[in-house]
Amino acid sequence: ELKVEQNPLFLSMQEGKNYTIYCNYSTTSDRLYWYRQDPGKSLESLFVLLSNGAVKQEGRLMASLDTKARLSTLHITAAVHDLSATYFCAVATPTGNQFYFGTGTSLTVIP
Amino acid sequence: GAVVSQHPSWVICKSGTSVKIECRSLDFQATTMFWYRQFPKQSLMLMATSNEGSKATYEQGVEKDKFLINHASLTLSTLTVTSAHPEDSSFYICSARTWGTGGSYNSPLHFGNGTRLTVT
Repeated sequence: ELKVEQNPLFLSMQEGKNYTIYCNYSTTSDRLYWYRQDPGKSLESLFVLLSNGAVKQEGRLMASLDTKARLSTLHITAAVHDLSATYFCAVATPTGNQFYFGTGTSLTVIP
Repeated sequence: GAVVSQHPSWVICKSGTSVKIECRSLDFQATTMFWYRQFPKQSLMLMATSNEGSKATYEQGVEKDKFLINHASLTLSTLTVTSAHPEDSSFYICSARTWGTGGSYNSPLHFGNGTRLTVT
């Protein structure tokens, strides 16, 4: 089974600061995804990363992928309160259609 | 586009009863849908892959007789929790992809809003 780990699990940061969330996975995959989940809500797709060295940016969030290291990062720049949520990475199996999710990072941005 | 609707949003049932959760793709067809379970403040655990017109594929450790999945059409999958017990209380989320019915191989999962099940 493909295993996906994230760290940190919990992150409390002040507004305006920068931080990075890490996502490691155990086996080869050609697709990695980042999602956001607000409390009690479903998941919203943020980024789709498909190749080694891929970088995607949307607002204050930037995601990257290193397939050789089996590592993806989600970088937060100048955090604002609205970014408070839980962030999940998900890795798709290379031969199948299943998505396996990381442990999640609960982000709280403090004013 | 790619809207997934899940119903009900929440349900409370008594121990021993069965509960059916519906997952519909509203503006696309989905040959495959996925059912996840999420405990409070935890990650999503893939329970099963629902395949239109054939049997679902269950993940290791998930009881197929307990969690019945039916995917009778390209827009509807149902999950029935049979003989529910308090330990089945959880947040159940379905998802689908457009891949296979016109979408890209790389397309992300689109999620329903989830169903919060409480078994008393």
